[in-house]
Amino acid sequence: AQSVTQPDIHITVSEGASLELRCNYSYGATPYLFWYVQSPGQGLQLLLKYFSGDTLVQGIKGFEAEFKRSQSSFNLRKPSVHWSDAAEYFCAVGARANDMRFGAGTRLTVKP
Amino acid sequence: DAGITQSPRHKVTETGTPVTLRCHQTENHRYMYWYRQDPGHGLRLIHYSYGVKDTDKGEVSDGYSVSRSKTEDFLLTLESATSSQTSVYFCAISERGVNLATDTQYFGPGTRLTVL
Repeated sequence: AQSVTQPDIHITVSEGASLELRCNYSYGATPYLFWYVQSPGQGLQLLLKYFSGDTLVQGIKGFEAEFKRSQSSFNLRKPSVHWSDAAEYFCAVGARANDMRFGAGTRLTVKP
Repeated sequence: DAGITQSPRHKVTETGTPVTLRCHQTENHRYMYWYRQDPGHGLRLIHYSYGVKDTDKGEVSDGYSVSRSKTEDFLLTLESATSSQTSVYFCAISERGVNLATDTQYFGPGTRLTVL
């Protein structure tokens, strides 16, 4: 069965520092992978997705993610974090919306 | 932002009472979804709709029913609410279908439901 693990429940970084959020997945076939961001009191917003092609995916707000099949990972990165990036981030796997699996989320705090 | 509203945004109710949550969209998207979000679980699909009067179950459908009589509205009903249904409920829409390689889901702001 497909599943997603986000090992870090909470991460704190300083503004301007780099960020990497980890995501590991289990999926029987070539996975479709997603990162979403949820700001306080808001719904989820798609940051980026991977379903084929280049394993380095660019998204909105300066985020990127790299698909590594050998490690079953799809980590999210940003070179320089802004205070407005404080939010909860969800990784998800699945080709179809009716069988997607979401990770439990990583909450990002940004220190001034 | 996609035009998705959810009502109510907050609700407190008692065990055993019926509750209906509404999702309204102005995008004329064909597909609509209901998710619940619980700490440690991410989002889990409850039910979804692929057209007016066409619905199907998701991963955690027990204790929930849905209806869609108009393209723009998708209702989620808890016939007899239980404390285990305390959660944040999100509605989502997608234009053409469930294939997320070619389509995108847009999420509403959520409804926080507390069952005492």
